[in-house]
Amino acid sequence: DTAVSQTPKYLVTQMGNDKSIKCEQNLGHDTMYWYKQDSKKFLKIMFSYNNKELIINETVPNRFSPKSPDKAHLNLHINSLELGDSAVYFCASSRLAGVSYNEQFFGPGTRLTVL
Amino acid sequence: AQSVTQLGSHVSVSEGALVLLRCNYSSSVPPYLFWYVQYPNQGLQLLLKYTSAATLVKGINGFEAEFKKSETSFHLTKPSAHMSDAAEYFCAVSGFTGGGNKLTFGTGTQLKVEL
Repeated sequence: DTAVSQTPKYLVTQMGNDKSIKCEQNLGHDTMYWYKQDSKKFLKIMFSYNNKELIINETVPNRFSPKSPDKAHLNLHINSLELGDSAVYFCASSRLAGVSYNEQFFGPGTRLTVL
Repeated sequence: AQSVTQLGSHVSVSEGALVLLRCNYSSSVPPYLFWYVQYPNQGLQLLLKYTSAATLVKGINGFEAEFKKSETSFHLTKPSAHMSDAAEYFCAVSGFTGGGNKLTFGTGTQLKVEL
């Protein structure tokens, strides 16, 4: 199926650990995103990549480091996890970064719980 | 900066009744507006989008929304609610920032459908 996929779906870890979330899209899009949904379901963009180049970085702590090995993949690495990092992280993709009316397609989300 | 406001964090309707979910936007440029739906433990799915081609936009699952510039509104409606419509609904505006697009979401409206 064509889609945006994320692994893992659930991630439970201890404070201070380092973890990664992987995202892949097979829609042929050139732009990918990471969004964070907090416990009140508020969604906020974190990063955006276009053809492996970082184009949006929304004042996210530098413990969060996105990496895009190619335009179909965007991974999120988080160092020194904190309790406040507990959230659902969504990956998304779209065509053409400079076109505001292009819809974004979302992955199923990764629920991160930091204990 | 662009923003959207969703009035009513929780809306409850009877099955078969009209669904009305409110969204007002703030934008200094003509906005591109979206409605997404999130079913429990799933990612976001696009319902419909406004791209200035037509003020009345029809989406999936019988939903539609009307763009009203004079009221800065983009309310979502469905003539007859079904139990399967119970979900979280997000209004969003797309904007160009720092070389890329980002979706700015409202706080969401939880729709409950009762028998």
